[in-house]
Amino acid sequence: AQTVTQSQPEMSVQEAETVTLSCTYDTSESDYYLFWYKQPPSRQMILVIRQEAYKQQNATENRFSVNFQKAAKSFSLKISDSQLGDAAMYFCAYLGYGGSQGNLIFGKGTKLSVKP
Amino acid sequence: GAGVSQSPSNKVTEKGKDVELRCDPISGHTALYWYRQSLGQGLEFLIYFQGNSAPDKSGLPSDRFSAERTGGSVSTLTIQRTQQEDSAVYLCASSSDRSGQYFGPGTRLTVT
Repeated sequence: AQTVTQSQPEMSVQEAETVTLSCTYDTSESDYYLFWYKQPPSRQMILVIRQEAYKQQNATENRFSVNFQKAAKSFSLKISDSQLGDAAMYFCAYLGYGGSQGNLIFGKGTKLSVKP
Repeated sequence: GAGVSQSPSNKVTEKGKDVELRCDPISGHTALYWYRQSLGQGLEFLIYFQGNSAPDKSGLPSDRFSAERTGGSVSTLTIQRTQQEDSAVYLCASSSDRSGQYFGPGTRLTVT
């Protein structure tokens, strides 16, 4: 079975600085998707960024980028120029590429605080 | 366009009562998912609907939980004879493909 591990329960960053959140996963599949979701106190889960495993290029969405290391099964999220609005829980998630299983497998999350 | 909506936003019920939680997915999304988020268990998958296929119920924790999706759109999650351990936030998501699931704001269920 696939698992997702986020080893940092909490992180803190100064406004305008850069922070990296870690995620590792375990799978025997060769094709899959990886995601980062943000959950602010409003509890709405927001899709931040996605990566398809067959793509070697790291995904980037504005201030958010990932470092995808397929061999190491690592998928970290880098937030540049951190803003107060980035404060939230961040969840790493895995989704198999095919087959009947459609549910996301989530890590336990990392709580990010942003200091002004 | 409109996102995923869920109702009610919050629900307080007495132990032993039945509850129904509603999810209205993004128009045109063929897949719909229910997850449960609790402090002790994190985010757990409950059930998955894909088009007209039989739903994947593998995540339902007990036979007190059931869900249906009418007309390929709105879904209702029903919990019968609620227990205190059912207290959690219930999240619904929908998708058109595997490139991303889009979540609603959730329903916070409190069983007293």
